[in-house]
Amino acid sequence: GAVVSQHPSRVICKSGTSVKIECRSLDFQATTMFWYRQFPKQSLMLMATSNEGSKATYEQGVEKDKFLINHASLTLSTLTVTSAHPEDSSFYICSGYSGTSVNEQFFGPGTRLTVL
Amino acid sequence: DQQVKQNSPSLSVQEGRISILNCDYTNSMFDYFLWYKKYPAEGPTFLISISSIKDKNEDGRFTVFLNKSAKHLSLHIVPSQPGDSAVYFCAVFFGAGSYQLTFGKGTKLSVIP
Repeated sequence: GAVVSQHPSRVICKSGTSVKIECRSLDFQATTMFWYRQFPKQSLMLMATSNEGSKATYEQGVEKDKFLINHASLTLSTLTVTSAHPEDSSFYICSGYSGTSVNEQFFGPGTRLTVL
Repeated sequence: DQQVKQNSPSLSVQEGRISILNCDYTNSMFDYFLWYKKYPAEGPTFLISISSIKDKNEDGRFTVFLNKSAKHLSLHIVPSQPGDSAVYFCAVFFGAGSYQLTFGKGTKLSVIP
């Protein structure tokens, strides 16, 4: 399958700071990228869907001003958690969709965010 | 309200035996069903899928069964191997549109050597 990378893999920050997470599709062009969040022992919850060059579509209950998503190219999407708080501590996973088959949604390895 | 339910948080199986992971869903309009495998600190990887027009799909040791009347699908792994130990997520997809997936909570499978 295709490869999606995320950087950083793990980040610890102080409450009130902003954190940027990068998601890159390394060997394919992702027309759509998805951002998920997973709390312990919970399912992956879709946060937002982004298409290259357009504004992200956020799921109900996800604050768009807090979780800024930029999908500037077909291989890069970024999620910025602004003014992070301890309740934002979670595992954030992105996926890239190559646009040919539903099977072809490839996930990154995830980013563990801990807000102190 | 959960649209996709995996009621067993964990399952232990002896190596060589069959592993059966179950998933229930609520919406009969779901078009496609997928199983993902996830190791700790890694993203999910696609395992096998089935379209709503089928009731069985097989790929090597992995078989997915779909019972539309019961809104239930299951993943059978036979024979189970220690390397199969992971968390398995059931995911559903509506069909034409945004290609969003809705995931269950996952079942942690432990295959005991």
